Amino acid sequence: DVVLTQTPPTLSATIGQSVSISCRSSQSLLHSNGNTYLHWLLQRPGQSPQLLIYLVSRLESGVPNRFSGSGSGTDFTLKISGVEAEDLGVYYCVQGTHAPNTFGAGTKLELK
Amino acid sequence: EVQLQESGPGLVKPSQSLSLTCSVTGYSITSNYWGWIRKFPGNKMEWMGYISYSGSTSYNPSLKSRISITRDTSKNQFFLQLNSVTTEDTATYYCARSGGFRGALDYWGQGVMVTVSS
Repeated sequence: DVVLTQTPPTLSATIGQSVSISCRSSQSLLHSNGNTYLHWLLQRPGQSPQLLIYLVSRLESGVPNRFSGSGSGTDFTLKISGVEAEDLGVYYCVQGTHAPNTFGAGTKLELK
Repeated sequence: EVQLQESGPGLVKPSQSLSLTCSVTGYSITSNYWGWIRKFPGNKMEWMGYISYSGSTSYNPSLKSRISITRDTSKNQFFLQLNSVTTEDTATYYCARSGGFRGALDYWGQGVMVTVSS
């Protein structure tokens, strides 16, 4: 199975600070069809996970544009440009290129 | 609006079967892919499997022959059955819709916590 390594495991930030989360894959996530099936989820405390970004960098409908994704191949990054209180929770990267789908271990974003 | 709702027992005895239902409103399960995902105590997430718009299924090999996902299109529901459960199957179970791109789960249920204990 593809292993997704997320760093850091925990991130402390102040409101307004910009932060980045890394997701590294044990295999290239570029599919033979040209798509890279790497996505980002946020699970707020007490809530279900929410899709933030799909296909590396496409913002899901309704998600604020302070969230952005980048990367290719095996290295990917989620950036939050100006953390807000509602952004606290656990962030996951997830890949769908190679079966079975796999998740990163999560990055917990908390207030400093 | 697409909504998913899991239901089922919160406590299952070891060696028995875990059965959950996902009821979908606002969208037909004869379109897209519909999956089961679980979150273990801590943060670890595991994709369990999915059922497609046509009824075909795909499972995580780690669950081997213990898992089955079926559906009832007349009720717009799909189901999870996990056999021979152990305490390691204690988790919060979610159903979700894949929005058109492999692994991009755009609608989720609220989750149901299942404890395996005697």
